[in-house]
Amino acid sequence: EAGVAQSPRYKIIEKRQSVAFWCNPISGHATLYWYQQILGQGPKLLIQFQNNGVVDDSQLPKDRFSAERLKGVDSTLKIQPAKLEDSAVYLCASSLEVHTDTQYFGPGTRLTVL
Amino acid sequence: SQQGEEDPQALSIQEGENATMNCSYKTSINNLQWYRQNSGRGLVHLILIRSNEREKHSGRLRVTLDTSKKSSSLLITASRAADTASYFCERTSYDKVIFGPGTSLSVIP
Repeated sequence: EAGVAQSPRYKIIEKRQSVAFWCNPISGHATLYWYQQILGQGPKLLIQFQNNGVVDDSQLPKDRFSAERLKGVDSTLKIQPAKLEDSAVYLCASSLEVHTDTQYFGPGTRLTVL
Repeated sequence: SQQGEEDPQALSIQEGENATMNCSYKTSINNLQWYRQNSGRGLVHLILIRSNEREKHSGRLRVTLDTSKKSSSLLITASRAADTASYFCERTSYDKVIFGPGTSLSVIP
């Protein structure tokens, strides 16, 4: 079974630029999560989708971050414009169902904002 | 903090020793899961314990849950150098998914 795929693995941009991350979850997984993990901290949930609907986006900085999950499969997370404090690893995870199921994580995208 | 706490923040032990990590939380939970993260990698699921369970085992791992104290512990027995990683507990509470700050475990050969 293929795992969660993410791209790119690394990205370096300057502040005020835009960046987008892509995630392809495990086939058949209805729930998809985006996390931000700052060095030395635990993952912080940014947004959670159930199929293509949003379950929780309470911690997503909506003035600069956006995410979509078209057709309930792949997802993209965008930052526009980026700030220095956005430097982090962005993790995508998927699970069969919401709330009670094991999450399977992708390798993450390491973003550096200069 | 909504995250609760994990302790210790860092733990260093000799190979063969047992390692215990604790996780406390603030609100009622549906279930609690433990994940491992090797440096520079994504998280890997270790074990899930539901709110009506008190203890679960998986190989060298033992997880306990005390809902009255709002705490959980992860015990790794007979540790190996390959167990060196960060360990996180994740709580699912109503619609919220919350990860703790993690415990960094170093197992010295």
